[in-house]
Amino acid sequence: AQSVTQLDSHVSVSEGTPVLLRCNYSSSYSPSLFWYVQHPNKGLQLLLKYTSAATLVKGINGFEAEFKKSETSFHLTKPSAHMSDAAEYFCVVSYSRGGATNKLIFGTGTLLAVQP
Amino acid sequence: GAVVSQHPSWVICKSGTSVKIECRSLDFQATTMFWYRQFPKQSLMLMATSNEGSKATYEQGVEKDKFLINHASLTLSTLTVTSAHPEDSSFYICSAKLLVAGVYNEQFFGPGTRLTVL
Repeated sequence: AQSVTQLDSHVSVSEGTPVLLRCNYSSSYSPSLFWYVQHPNKGLQLLLKYTSAATLVKGINGFEAEFKKSETSFHLTKPSAHMSDAAEYFCVVSYSRGGATNKLIFGTGTLLAVQP
Repeated sequence: GAVVSQHPSWVICKSGTSVKIECRSLDFQATTMFWYRQFPKQSLMLMATSNEGSKATYEQGVEKDKFLINHASLTLSTLTVTSAHPEDSSFYICSAKLLVAGVYNEQFFGPGTRLTVL
């Protein structure tokens, strides 16, 4: 079965300091992995995705994530937090098998707070 | 490009009434649309997968007679919550899968519809 575990429900950082949001996955197949961001009362926005190409994935707004198969992890990082980064972040795994439609399985989310 | 809209953005209804939510892909054709539900402070849970011109596939535990899905065209899917009750109050989000031959089909999400049932 496919699943995603986000290890922290809340993360608080100071503006200008690094961000680390942790995600571990479980998948019997070659997964595709994503990070989405959700600002209050807004739709989900794709930050970045891994689909079996380069293991270090760069996304929008300075975010990046590294796929580590040996650790089954896909942690999201950013060198320097900005106030506008405060939002809910979801780690997502997708898989397809036998031509079945890709399904997205969402983690429980990490709420990132950025302190001035 | 790849914009998905939902209408309405919020709705309040009385218990026992039905509510229809529309999901549209504005600038692309979507082979498949998905409906999710998100309870406060929780993650998104897939309710059903909707393919144009065929019956929707519902996830385990989701009542197909209560949550009616119609996918009449490649740009429109509707979710009707029939005989709504307060426990159906939630944030409903749709996504549409971009049809691009030979390329991973990314899902694009709508802004969501907040349903409150009194």
